[in-house]
Amino acid sequence: GAGVSQTPSNKVTEKGKYVELRCDPISGHTALYWYRQSLGQGPEFLIYFQGTGAADDSGLPNDRFFAVRPEGSVSTLKIQRTERGDSAVYLCASSLNPAGGGNEQFFGPGTRLTVL
Amino acid sequence: AQKITQTQPGMFVQEKEAVTLDCTYDTSDQSYGLFWYKQPSSGEMIFLIYQGSYDEQNATEGRYSLNFQKARKSANLVISASQLGDSAMYFCAMREGRGSGTYKYIFGTGTRLKVLA
Repeated sequence: GAGVSQTPSNKVTEKGKYVELRCDPISGHTALYWYRQSLGQGPEFLIYFQGTGAADDSGLPNDRFFAVRPEGSVSTLKIQRTERGDSAVYLCASSLNPAGGGNEQFFGPGTRLTVL
Repeated sequence: AQKITQTQPGMFVQEKEAVTLDCTYDTSDQSYGLFWYKQPSSGEMIFLIYQGSYDEQNATEGRYSLNFQKARKSANLVISASQLGDSAMYFCAMREGRGSGTYKYIFGTGTRLKVLA
């Protein structure tokens, strides 16, 4: 079946602009995660959804970052007033309910965001 | 605070030999999961192996095994019979459990493995 998809694959924007990054998880996966990965670093947790609700948004760096998952499937990460420091690869992952045990995450290919 | 430490920024191994990638973790939670992921130069994260904190036996998946030493809080990845295609970045991750009220993942900084022909 289809894996996790993310669009766009690349996004170049200017400082101060607004961007939206989309994630389409594997069908049936109730958990959805967003990460940010800078060059040479491990993925940095941003937010975790279980169904439609944000179960943990403790990783969002500030109030310029916001994410939604209105129908419990597709999620959008929204960044307002982008800054050059927001440049990174944004990864999305989905899994079955992690409360069930193993249930590893499946990652999408990422969106490379460049803020000029 | 929960933390994952990977102390080897880079490793070399000869083709067909075994290699161990180190990972230590820190958590006060009793229930947690440990994962290893591979990230080739293409960028996509690939799941390799999982170990639950209550699992008594070390996890194995083909050429991958996880050397879980709970008292030492270590979860080292062992790759046997290395292949050229194993050259990649490897990340250790911990998923917190029920006791912490969240199931977020924390990743280490990674180890870059290069397999030599």
